[in-house]
Amino acid sequence: QKEVEQNSGPLSVPEGAIASLNCTYSDRGSQSFFWYRQYSGKSPELIMSIYSNGDKEDGRFTAQLNKASQYVSLLIRDSQPSDSATYLCAVNPLNFNKFYFGSGTKLNVKP
Amino acid sequence: KAGVTQTPRYLIKTRGQQVTLSCSPISGHRSVSWYQQTPGQGLQFLFEYFSETQRNKGNFPGRFSGRQFSNSRSEMNVSTLELGDSALYLCASSTGTAGGTEAFFGQGTRLTVV
Repeated sequence: QKEVEQNSGPLSVPEGAIASLNCTYSDRGSQSFFWYRQYSGKSPELIMSIYSNGDKEDGRFTAQLNKASQYVSLLIRDSQPSDSATYLCAVNPLNFNKFYFGSGTKLNVKP
Repeated sequence: KAGVTQTPRYLIKTRGQQVTLSCSPISGHRSVSWYQQTPGQGLQFLFEYFSETQRNKGNFPGRFSGRQFSNSRSEMNVSTLELGDSALYLCASSTGTAGGTEAFFGQGTRLTVV
């Protein structure tokens, strides 16, 4: 079993719709959770971090965490073609700065 | 505020050679982590350095090594290169304090082994 699981996609949504990206993790002791966006040929860019159960909103992005279900999600509202990228879920267990990454979900936003 | 700087951006090496990659973290950040990214395996953790000490290590062979200097700059070395070492090598910079702080990636070094 992988430490972090993501659906590889591609996930296709029309412009203006809500994109929902999901991630599950295996280490129940994990404390920190992150979403990165990676454009083709570029390095990952941090877009959200979440540490507590519930929702965290930042502009068009909302991260949701449910530690009991070991589940993290990212909602992108009013999706734009520029949001088309691969979204990586990262989990940090209790160990310092050793992140486990999912394989990423490719998002396509169609104009 | 300057970001994470990795050099060189691109490298082409032949099998059996060795290579050294460099990473300068964000000013004030003491932790540097290294990752290998390939299409088949995704992002895999290599090791993390904090205050010149290796604090964490992933499951890579001993051909992969690193070090960190007193100014927090880090280098990664790969000896006896194999074709399978072709990948994007990324370093991530963070404060390194407890609790899983946010990590910021450099632009990466794309290594091609021929």
